[in-house]
Amino acid sequence: KQEVTQIPAALSVPEGENLVLNCSFTDSAIYNLQWFRQDPGKGLTSLLLIQSSQREQTSGRLNASLDKSSGRSTLYIAASQPGDSATYLCGKAAGNKLTFGGGTRVLVKP
Amino acid sequence: DAGVIQSPRHEVTEMGQEVTLRCKPISGHDYLFWYRQTMMRGLELLIYFNNNVPIDDSGMPEDRFSAKMPNASFSTLKIQPSEPRDSAVYFCASSFGPVNDGAFGPGTRLTVT
Repeated sequence: KQEVTQIPAALSVPEGENLVLNCSFTDSAIYNLQWFRQDPGKGLTSLLLIQSSQREQTSGRLNASLDKSSGRSTLYIAASQPGDSATYLCGKAAGNKLTFGGGTRVLVKP
Repeated sequence: DAGVIQSPRHEVTEMGQEVTLRCKPISGHDYLFWYRQTMMRGLELLIYFNNNVPIDDSGMPEDRFSAKMPNASFSTLKIQPSEPRDSAVYFCASSFGPVNDGAFGPGTRLTVT
């Protein structure tokens, strides 16, 4: 049973277009929801952390929202750039454990 | 701080051999996590420690896997004997507080032939 789902698995957009990445989870009893970026052959870099009591977090061109009632989180990346090409993973934290989605592989074409 | 340090970065070994992966967490972090990433199963938590004590090892796939944290600055993940299906990228992560914007290491890519 997949607790955290990310759709689509891959996304290709032209430079400048806004990106919308979706994450859904089955258990609303979460503590935090975290978005990560992973570049090929590298580890994960934390982008945004939304605590359970919060509804969104913003950092520069990135904005992440959390709707516990519907079991969804969305990561928005405004005005995408080729450097945004990477895999984006969401992680649901319950207790001390992170459960990850399968990731969305993003390609931003110049 | 240099971040979370893992060694080796790449390991190729033959089936049946013992493999030891190493991790140095960020100084001052009190939680340490070991993850495994494969194409089929994604990123999975294997085990985590708090203040050097193993708290939850429910993700460890089999008795062939073991992890230790003898002190606050070092942890190992051992596979004995290794099998081809253990081939994956193994990540170590550490954080101050549970799941609190922690940092991931670069990973160890393990190939078992």
